[in-house]
Amino acid sequence: AQSVTQLGSHVSVSEGALVLLRCNYSSSVPPYLFWYVQYPNQGLQLLLKYTSAATLVKGINGFEAEFKKSETSFHLTKPSAHMSDAAEYFCAVISNTGNQFYFGTGTSLTVIP
Amino acid sequence: EAGVAQSPRYKIIEKRQSVAFWCNPISGHATLYWYQQILGQGPKLLIQFQNNGVVDDSQLPKDRFSAERLKGVDSTLKIQPAKLEDSAVYLCASSLQNTEAFFGQGTRLTVV
Repeated sequence: AQSVTQLGSHVSVSEGALVLLRCNYSSSVPPYLFWYVQYPNQGLQLLLKYTSAATLVKGINGFEAEFKKSETSFHLTKPSAHMSDAAEYFCAVISNTGNQFYFGTGTSLTVIP
Repeated sequence: EAGVAQSPRYKIIEKRQSVAFWCNPISGHATLYWYQQILGQGPKLLIQFQNNGVVDDSQLPKDRFSAERLKGVDSTLKIQPAKLEDSAVYLCASSLQNTEAFFGQGTRLTVV
């Protein structure tokens, strides 16, 4: 079965610093990959998605992620953190041969003023 | 475009009681998911429907949980009887084939 692993359950960065949240997937076939953000007491909101087109994907709020097949990674980055970026971030995978949708365990991002 | 609608937003019940959650997906989305998200964890897939058929219910505790999507549109998830460990947020999501899932705001269940 497809799965994703998020390294680091908690990440803290200073305001204005680079944000890097890590996600690795397990698949012999490149899947479709997603990053979602969850603010307190809210549902999940899509940040960006990779669907086998461009390997560098740009999303909302200045986030982007790069699909690297050689590393089976799909890390999320943002050049300059903002206080409003503090939230829980989830990496997710869906098989391109089926429709099963699975999430990682999440990374809580704290932005320090 | 209307999003995924869920109700209620919050529910508090005593253990051994029953509870039901309702979800109305985005119009035209054939795939509907129910997830359980325990505090501090990622969403765990409980059941996935394609139209009114079940695609995956391998992680659904079938002795107490049930779900249906009779007409292939809205869906109901039921817990009977509830246990303390069922306290969680229950998220409903819908999608077209092989695209991102769109989530409702969830139902926060507290079992006391």
